[in-house]
Amino acid sequence: GQNIDQPTEMTATEGAIVQINCTYQTSGFNGLFWYQQHAGEAPTFLSYNVLDGLEEKGRFSSFLSRSKGYSYLLLKELQMKDSASYLCAVPYSGAGSYQLTFGKGTKLSVIP
Amino acid sequence: DTAVSQTPKYLVTQMGNDKSIKCEQNLGHDTMYWYKQDSKKFLKIMFSYNNKELIINETVPNRFSPKSPDKAHLNLHINSLELGDSAVYFCASGKTSGVGTQYFGPGTRLLVL
Repeated sequence: GQNIDQPTEMTATEGAIVQINCTYQTSGFNGLFWYQQHAGEAPTFLSYNVLDGLEEKGRFSSFLSRSKGYSYLLLKELQMKDSASYLCAVPYSGAGSYQLTFGKGTKLSVIP
Repeated sequence: DTAVSQTPKYLVTQMGNDKSIKCEQNLGHDTMYWYKQDSKKFLKIMFSYNNKELIINETVPNRFSPKSPDKAHLNLHINSLELGDSAVYFCASGKTSGVGTQYFGPGTRLLVL
């Protein structure tokens, strides 16, 4: 089975840097996704890591350590529009397709 | 162009009714999914449907049934609605081969009274 743990809520200041952690246990590793979900909207894809290390994409970076079962999402130069929930997810294989198990999400509030 | 669309966006109904939610994707994906997001915002897989093969999450009551008229559509039919079915239901689609990104529809907010 899969188990994902991430903090429930975080608060950070506009312009600052915030790191959102995710730990996981999974039988068979197929990478790790981060999704962003604004209130009342659909989740949207942010990043996918399958190899160890840091992947940078603009203001957002995602890190993975497979040996530690650990990932984080790093958000730089925070903007008010970054206030959202951030969902960590791991895929698992089921009869020809992959399903995602999501963590409960981290609600990030960016304050002025 | 809308990639994954769902209708209706809002659905308010009485307990015991039967209702359907429609989902369509124009991404050419082979696999479609239904997720339920409860009041605590926990997003949980309900079904995945791939080339006529259905994978069901064992916790989903059999009052819920997905129906796929073709590869681009996966509708969700719910019988005998209960109060606990109130949630946001998201449709998603993705490629079958390998691990790929899933693209989500805008969600259907279901309220059972």
